[in-house]
Amino acid sequence: DAGVIQSPRHEVTEMGQEVTLRCKPISGHNSLFWYRQTMMRGLELLIYFNNNVPIDDSGMPEDRFSAKMPNASFSTLKIQPSEPRDSAVYFCASSGGGQPQHFGDGTRLSIL
Amino acid sequence: AQSVTQPDIHITVSEGASLELRCNYSYGATPYLFWYVQSPGQGLQLLLKYFSGDTLVQGIKGFEAEFKRSQSSFNLRKPSVHWSDAAEYFCAVGDSGSSGGGADGLTFGKGTHLIIQP
Repeated sequence: DAGVIQSPRHEVTEMGQEVTLRCKPISGHNSLFWYRQTMMRGLELLIYFNNNVPIDDSGMPEDRFSAKMPNASFSTLKIQPSEPRDSAVYFCASSGGGQPQHFGDGTRLSIL
Repeated sequence: AQSVTQPDIHITVSEGASLELRCNYSYGATPYLFWYVQSPGQGLQLLLKYFSGDTLVQGIKGFEAEFKRSQSSFNLRKPSVHWSDAAEYFCAVGDSGSSGGGADGLTFGKGTHLIIQP
């Protein structure tokens, strides 16, 4: 089975630009999570969805961040405008059927 | 609010020696507990999980962990480490109110970096 698929794997862009990260969860999973990993703060939950509905977005840093899940097989995390402090590795994870979360390989984002 | 503490930032172990990585959690009820491993440039792979029942749980790659409620701990162990075990290890706690601990976000510790000496 294909795992959680994230794209792009790496993104380098200048501050002020819009960044869109993408995630395809494991087929059949009904929960999707976005995490951010930095050296200073470790792994932090940003937002998660159950059955395509956002349940908790209290971890989203500020209004520049938004996430959508238009259907069960796709989600996006958008940063507009981006800032250098947004540089991090962003992970998507999915789960279903009472099972633990499975993680993608992450998107390494660098904002210059 | 739930929290996870991994007191050791780095641990160095000789190949073939035993390993114990410490994890303490703070949670109001019996939590769901997880250990994940992260190799450089990779995502997180689940090693093992504790939901209920037997407090000693077995995982993949020869790892095991023991849930001790009295100590609020969930330490990871391996009797003999291999060079390929060098990685970052994360302990995490999930809400026991969620189904299988997978339907709510996890709270992670800061991680322990494991170095294997030849």
